[in-house]
Amino acid sequence: EAGVVQSPRYKIIEKKQPVAFWCNPISGHNTLYWYLQNLGQGPELLIRYENEEAVDDSQLPKDRFSAERLKGVDSTLKIQPAELGDSAVYLCASSPGGTGELFFGEGSRLTVL
Amino acid sequence: GESVGLHLPTLSVQEGDNSIINCAYSNSASDYFIWYKQESGKGPQFIIDIRSNMDKRQGQRVTVLLNKTVKHLSLQIAATQPGDSAVYFCAENVGGSQGNLIFGKGTKLSVKP
Repeated sequence: EAGVVQSPRYKIIEKKQPVAFWCNPISGHNTLYWYLQNLGQGPELLIRYENEEAVDDSQLPKDRFSAERLKGVDSTLKIQPAELGDSAVYLCASSPGGTGELFFGEGSRLTVL
Repeated sequence: GESVGLHLPTLSVQEGDNSIINCAYSNSASDYFIWYKQESGKGPQFIIDIRSNMDKRQGQRVTVLLNKTVKHLSLQIAATQPGDSAVYFCAENVGGSQGNLIFGKGTKLSVKP
């Protein structure tokens, strides 16, 4: 069974440019998460979806970050415009729902110059 | 790949020895805990979990101990191998079935051959 798939794996952009990350969760997983991981830190939740509904986006910086999961499957996370401090790894995870294990993708590493 | 271990607590053990990684969690209402392993350049990988109604759970070469009195979690790895070298994160579920996983800062385990 395929795991969580993310793309691109690596992205280098100049500040003020836009960037988008894509995530395909494990088939049948209703819950999808985007996490931010800074170097040397644990993942921090940005947003959680239950199907197509964002049920927790309290940690998402809404002035520049946006996310969508239109059909309740794939999701995109966008940053516009990117700032130097956005350089990090953006992790997508999915789960069947409820309390339990999250399955993570390999992450998208963003470098903002 | 780039290390995610900068500024992290580090545990160095000899191959074949047992490893103990500790974690203090913050919320006394947390009902579920997970240990994740993260190798350089990869996403976190599930190791073992435990619910708050238990104080010990064993897997293959790994044991998790939960002490709710002092809000402490530990991961024991028996006969540590070079392939165990990674950063280990504990995570707590806050908010029940609608809650989110909150990750700790991580510990870097280095195994000397």
